[in-house]
Amino acid sequence: NAGVMQNPRHLVRRRGQEARLRCSPMKGHSHVYWYRQLPEEGLKFMVYLQKENIIDESGMPKERFSAEFPKEGPSILRIQQVVRGDSAAYFCASSPPGVAGTGNEQFFGPGTRLTVL
Amino acid sequence: GENVEQHPSTLSVQEGDSAVIKCTYSDSASNYFPWYKQELGKGPQLIIDIRSNVGEKKDQRIAVTLNKTAKHFSLHITETQPEDSAVYFCAASMEGGSEKLVFGKGTKLTVNP
Repeated sequence: NAGVMQNPRHLVRRRGQEARLRCSPMKGHSHVYWYRQLPEEGLKFMVYLQKENIIDESGMPKERFSAEFPKEGPSILRIQQVVRGDSAAYFCASSPPGVAGTGNEQFFGPGTRLTVL
Repeated sequence: GENVEQHPSTLSVQEGDSAVIKCTYSDSASNYFPWYKQELGKGPQLIIDIRSNVGEKKDQRIAVTLNKTAKHFSLHITETQPEDSAVYFCAASMEGGSEKLVFGKGTKLTVNP
């Protein structure tokens, strides 16, 4: 049973380019979360999605950032017109559909390390 | 919103000793508290979690305690081994709410052989 998969693992972009980060949740999981981690810091929540729905995007910057989780295919985090401050590790987590007692167990992928030159 | 404080930020112990990491949270509505271990260059790995209807949970060498009244929870690792060296993060969320995890800033644990 494969875990959460993310690609690419490393991504280098120049300022002004677009970055697309992909996340495939664990089999059977229908909830996806994106978090950002700056060096030497904890993870910060960005967005929570279910299939074809954005549930909570309170942690996502209002401009340049968007996320989707289509009916088919991986979840995508898209950053337009990247700036140096976007350099960070971006982690995706998934959890199964709500079942009594399972709570909010979130399982993380290996992350995508974005470097903006 | 929820705020999670974690300390210490670094912890160095001798192999075989115990390690304790403490976290406090601000939102009394939070009811789910996981702990993650992150090794260099990898994603966080869920190692243990606790819900607010339980005061303590143990899994082999690791245990977590929760004090709802004081709004703090702790991770205890006994008989530490060099492979326990990593960064540990606590987090809090509200089951049935937005489900987002609010993380502490992490504790870098070093176990010296």
